[in-house]
Amino acid sequence: KAGVTQTPRYLIKTRGQQVTLSCSPISGHRSVSWYQQTPGQGLQFLFEYFSETQRNKGNFPGRFSGRQFSNSRSEMNVSTLELGDSALYLCASSPLPGNTEAFFGQGTRLTVV
Amino acid sequence: GENVEQHPSTLSVQEGDSAVIKCTYSDSASNYFPWYKQELGKGPQLIIDIRSNVGEKKDQRIAVTLNKTAKHFSLHITETQPEDSAVYFCAARMDTGNQFYFGTGTSLTVIP
Repeated sequence: KAGVTQTPRYLIKTRGQQVTLSCSPISGHRSVSWYQQTPGQGLQFLFEYFSETQRNKGNFPGRFSGRQFSNSRSEMNVSTLELGDSALYLCASSPLPGNTEAFFGQGTRLTVV
Repeated sequence: GENVEQHPSTLSVQEGDSAVIKCTYSDSASNYFPWYKQELGKGPQLIIDIRSNVGEKKDQRIAVTLNKTAKHFSLHITETQPEDSAVYFCAARMDTGNQFYFGTGTSLTVIP
């Protein structure tokens, strides 16, 4: 069974631009969560999607948004990029929300210059 | 919200020795506690987890213990090997949501 696939693996963007990251969960998994990982702040929750609906959102500005498609694939978008948005963005896949295991992808390394 | 603290931040052990990483959590509503291993350039890998109705769980060289009263849980790695070198994260989650609250990570180095 294929794992969680995140694309692209690496991105370099300029301040002010926007970016879209993609996550394909494990086959059969319907819940997708996104996390931002930085050396200073560690792993921080961005948002969670299930059945194309955002169930939960972390403490990030409105520039961070996401969506989920009917095939459970998810995208997150960051608009008006800032230098501080440079991070590893991780997607986690779960069969269902709630009391189930979560499996992470390799992440997308975003560098904002 | 939940607050997870993790210690130590760095840990060096000789190959073959044991390693112990400890985490505490603040919210008694948390009921699921996974541990992740993250190698350089990779995403976190689930290595073991424990639910609040269990006190201990073991999987070969890895074990996790949970003390609900004291709100702490620990990862134990026995007979460490160089390939155990990585950053380990503990996490906690409540039943009401799917959000994980992560510890700050422990960088484990196993010296051959």
